[in-house]
Amino acid sequence: QKEVEQDPGPLSVPEGAIVSLNCTYSNSAFQYFMWYRQYSRKGPELLMYTYSSGNKEDGRFTAQVDKSSKYISLFIRDSQPSDSATYLCAMRDTGTASKLTFGTGTRLQVTL
Amino acid sequence: DAMVIQNPRYQVTQFGKPVTLSCSQTLNHNVMYWYQQKSSQAPKLLFHYYDKDFNNEADTPDNFQSRRPNTSFCFLDIRSPGLGDAAMYLCATSRDLGQPQHFGDGTRLSIL
Repeated sequence: QKEVEQDPGPLSVPEGAIVSLNCTYSNSAFQYFMWYRQYSRKGPELLMYTYSSGNKEDGRFTAQVDKSSKYISLFIRDSQPSDSATYLCAMRDTGTASKLTFGTGTRLQVTL
Repeated sequence: DAMVIQNPRYQVTQFGKPVTLSCSQTLNHNVMYWYQQKSSQAPKLLFHYYDKDFNNEADTPDNFQSRRPNTSFCFLDIRSPGLGDAAMYLCATSRDLGQPQHFGDGTRLSIL
């Protein structure tokens, strides 16, 4: 079993829809959670960085962490065609400050 | 403004011919990382430098080496590339260990 599981998609939604992207993890030591957006042929771009359980909002993006269920989500409101990309979750524990464990990414397509 | 710059963006080399990938940063971050990302897979940490201290991941093959001559530059050397080393190589930086990591756009390496 992988430490981090993420549905690869592709996920296709119409413009304006609310998108929900999810990751589950097995390592209870993970304490820091990130979401990256990766456009084709580009490097990952940090979108959200969270520590505690609960919600964190930044513009159209909301990151949600449920440590008891080992489940994290990224919600995108009013999705735009420019949101079409691969979304990677990443996480790390407090002991290994350098090492991020990534999900394999969910490919999102927002259609007109 | 690009802050983590990788050169070249695309590199083709022959089986067994040494190759060097370059990363530079304008962020003055202490930590620089190298990741390998194969198609539809999660980025995998190869090693990182904390200032001048080199830290290798346990499962990184000996074929992969790195140099960091100064704060701004870091190189990835692949001594004898095999077909399985074809991948996107991502450089990332962070201000300190445990801080958010910022990625360059990667170098896509092909092996003939």
